[in-house]
Amino acid sequence: QSALTQPASVSGSPGQSITISCTGTSSDVGGYNYVSWYQQHPGKAPKLMIYEVSNRPSGVPDRFSGSKSGNTASLTISGLQAEDEADYYCSSYTSSSTVVFGGGTKLTVL
Amino acid sequence: QVQLQESGPGLVKPSETLSLTCTVSGGSISSYYWSWIRQPAGKGLEWIGRIYTSGSTNYNPSLKSRVTMSVDTSKNQFSLKLSSVTAADTAVYYCARDSRSYGYFDYWGQGTLVTVSS
Repeated sequence: QSALTQPASVSGSPGQSITISCTGTSSDVGGYNYVSWYQQHPGKAPKLMIYEVSNRPSGVPDRFSGSKSGNTASLTISGLQAEDEADYYCSSYTSSSTVVFGGGTKLTVL
Repeated sequence: QVQLQESGPGLVKPSETLSLTCTVSGGSISSYYWSWIRQPAGKGLEWIGRIYTSGSTNYNPSLKSRVTMSVDTSKNQFSLKLSSVTAADTAVYYCARDSRSYGYFDYWGQGTLVTVSS
């Protein structure tokens, strides 16, 4: 299975909004509403931020939102804060009953 | 509060088998999918595979020929074996709970670094 495609890096200033894309195929992202997003700070385990495309687990700020169109999912962070600087990974369930991750996106808060 | 802890050798020789165990505390291992995920230094996450508490497994096709997972519900543990390792298998290995069977990883271990070197 091929990794989902994410931009290597994105950046934004505090208070701005950024969007990270995650492109797959009809066998993963496009075929299921089972896209998740994870935030990972250096040296730490990933943290679930979005599940089932657009749902936020308890405790995740509503500045984080997700969407999907066709084979591409997106994570939007509005009102950027310094603590949002981290790596972000998307994941999707696949038609082979496996899970595939994206290559990751490094978010820099300028 | 559910906690996961990986354990196993931090150094494995090339061509040998990497063996790791994940111990689950603060909750039952039963009725969940449990995954192994790895991350080479400076690189992205790679899903290795998962096991249900019944013993049913799914593996990443790129690793399937070398991966074996098992579960011991009496000890609240599950395990990973990766055979014929090379330097490319050097990574931080995480265990994680998939609460909804589709990649909803809500609990993670802290990760353990495994280096493949002679």
